[in-house]
Amino acid sequence: QVQLQESGPGLVKPSETLSLTCSVSGGPISSYFWSWIRQPPGKGLEWIGYIYNSGSTHYNPSLKSRVTISVDTSKNRLSLKLSSVTAADTAVYYCARAFGSGSSLDYWGQGTLVTVSS
Amino acid sequence: QSVLTQPPSVSGAPGQRVTISCTGSSSNIGAGYDVHWYQQLPGTDPKLLISGNSNRPSGVPDRFSGSKAGTSASLAITGLQAEDEADYYCQSFDSSLSGWVFGGGTKLTVL
Repeated sequence: QVQLQESGPGLVKPSETLSLTCSVSGGPISSYFWSWIRQPPGKGLEWIGYIYNSGSTHYNPSLKSRVTISVDTSKNRLSLKLSSVTAADTAVYYCARAFGSGSSLDYWGQGTLVTVSS
Repeated sequence: QSVLTQPPSVSGAPGQRVTISCTGSSSNIGAGYDVHWYQQLPGTDPKLLISGNSNRPSGVPDRFSGSKAGTSASLAITGLQAEDEADYYCQSFDSSLSGWVFGGGTKLTVL
């Protein structure tokens, strides 16, 4: 059974960089699309970006200038960095898996709440 | 404002049937990309409910069904149960973004 677990600081100061990790167990991290998705409190889901083929990336244009997604296949881990954060970046951040760009997200992590505040 | 449009809320009595619409455009649903549906119970992560427009993953009751036509898709839930009360999201791929888009979500209330 594939399991995803997000981890990282729950509080980040404005203008700093948010850094999260997603540990994948129960299956290889290669050969899939790995995505970060966020959900501000009380709001809907927003796609942040995805990585595939262990290095190719696509980002949401609205976040592209601030986002970096990477994968460490040796550790079966996915990472997210979001720079210059503001209060608008406060959200639950999820990592999720898909087979391809047109596929559904079949496995999700439980999510981690990141609050941006001084 | 979400790229895919869903009604903010729907409701129905136990045992009834409800539908949730998801309207897109020629760069996503209308371009032939599949639509997927997720159920998010309060305080939990989204769970895949319908994949590829109309396919139910293992374990999803057949009370849930999906369809797609043109630039829209629909999720139907028959025999409503109290446990179906949740937020529902549609998702597809958008060629102009080269990425995934979600609907704004629909809150289902079982009366």
